[in-house]
Amino acid sequence: GAVVSQHPSRVICKSGTSVKIECRSLDFQATTMFWYRQFPKQSLMLMATSNEGSKATYEQGVEKDKFLINHASLTLSTLTVTSAHPEDSSFYICSARRGGGGGGYTFGSGTRLTVV
Amino acid sequence: GESVGLHLPTLSVQEGDNSIINCAYSNSASDYFIWYKQESGKGPQFIIDIRSNMDKRQGQRVTVLLNKTVKHLSLQIAATQPGDSAVYFCAENFGNEKLTFGTGTRLTIIP
Repeated sequence: GAVVSQHPSRVICKSGTSVKIECRSLDFQATTMFWYRQFPKQSLMLMATSNEGSKATYEQGVEKDKFLINHASLTLSTLTVTSAHPEDSSFYICSARRGGGGGGYTFGSGTRLTVV
Repeated sequence: GESVGLHLPTLSVQEGDNSIINCAYSNSASDYFIWYKQESGKGPQFIIDIRSNMDKRQGQRVTVLLNKTVKHLSLQIAATQPGDSAVYFCAENFGNEKLTFGTGTRLTIIP
């Protein structure tokens, strides 16, 4: 089956530093990857959609200069939280979709980011 | 924007009983719906999906019902087990674009 690997699973960083989260599709090519943020006891909120080889599309209210997304290959997308602050602490989850029409969505295991 | 909502934020069910989790969606143009299970600290896990040209789909111990007239989706879990305890989300999709998630229901199985 389709597998998406996300790491790190947990990271603690100091306020003002940057953190990179990787999302890899292990056994399929993902033309589209999605990045979500989830606060405690809340639902998943889509942050951005990334397509291989093009700029990401950000949802309203998400700062593109703060949450840098790179989708350089069909199997890898990265999310970099720049100049992180405590309010950025959250659970970040990626999702990848197979290429071609009707491809299903597979989720990574998530990254717990804590900014201190 | 449009959103997907749930009627019940929490649900407790005796082990072995059946459970029903409900979801209301607002985008009548949505054509694909998915139920996910999320355990603490993990990513969503696919349970079952249904397309808008169907009104019922069954899997192993799970059934999804879709009522397009009232824009309602439900997930039935038969003979619940302790491992079914988790948060369940419905998600809707229109035209193979992004998924919109509902607010989630926490299901607790009572031993």
